[in-house]
Amino acid sequence: KNEVEQSPQNLTAQEGEFITINCSYSVGISALHWLQQHPGGGIVSLFMLSSGKKKHGRLIATINIQEKHSSLHITASHPRDSAVYICAVFMKTSGSRLTFGEGTQLTVNP
Amino acid sequence: DSGVTQTPKHLITATGQRVTLRCSPRSGDLSVYWYQQSLDQGLQFLIQYYNGEERAKGNILERFSAQQFPDLHSELNLSSLELGDSALYFCASSVGRFGEQYFGPGTRLTVT
Repeated sequence: KNEVEQSPQNLTAQEGEFITINCSYSVGISALHWLQQHPGGGIVSLFMLSSGKKKHGRLIATINIQEKHSSLHITASHPRDSAVYICAVFMKTSGSRLTFGEGTQLTVNP
Repeated sequence: DSGVTQTPKHLITATGQRVTLRCSPRSGDLSVYWYQQSLDQGLQFLIQYYNGEERAKGNILERFSAQQFPDLHSELNLSSLELGDSALYFCASSVGRFGEQYFGPGTRLTVT
């Protein structure tokens, strides 16, 4: 079992829909990263959070440390949101190294 | 644009060869991280340098080595290359020893 699990693995939505991607982890963490990987391969950092909620434009990330769960929400989705979304954690036992989930492939159709 | 640069973008080489990948961190960032992304393994942490010193080590093969220079750029050296080393290699940087990481565009290595 992976230490970081994401669901769903694949998600197809229609433009305008509200999207949720989930991340669960089995170890104690100090913080969590949400990353976006474009079809061309580049990786963009969306959020780093250790508690509560962060919002940037149409993206919202939440984390519940006690429940070992984080969610990434996209409001009013758009075809340009199509990408792989990756959850990565800083495990308390591993310091600054990131441990990655397998990613969620999101496709938003017009 | 994250401010992290990597060269080259693409590299095609033969088995048994040696290559060097280069990374320049964002201005002001002292930490550099190297990651490997292969189709079957996903993203894996290789190594971190902070201000010239090795800080953390992950699943890095003995055939691979890295260093960070006084100007803070970093190089990842891959030797005795095998077909299985074909992957995307990402560099990331952060301000301190720990914190939000900003990724470079990656180097796509193909070993034939």
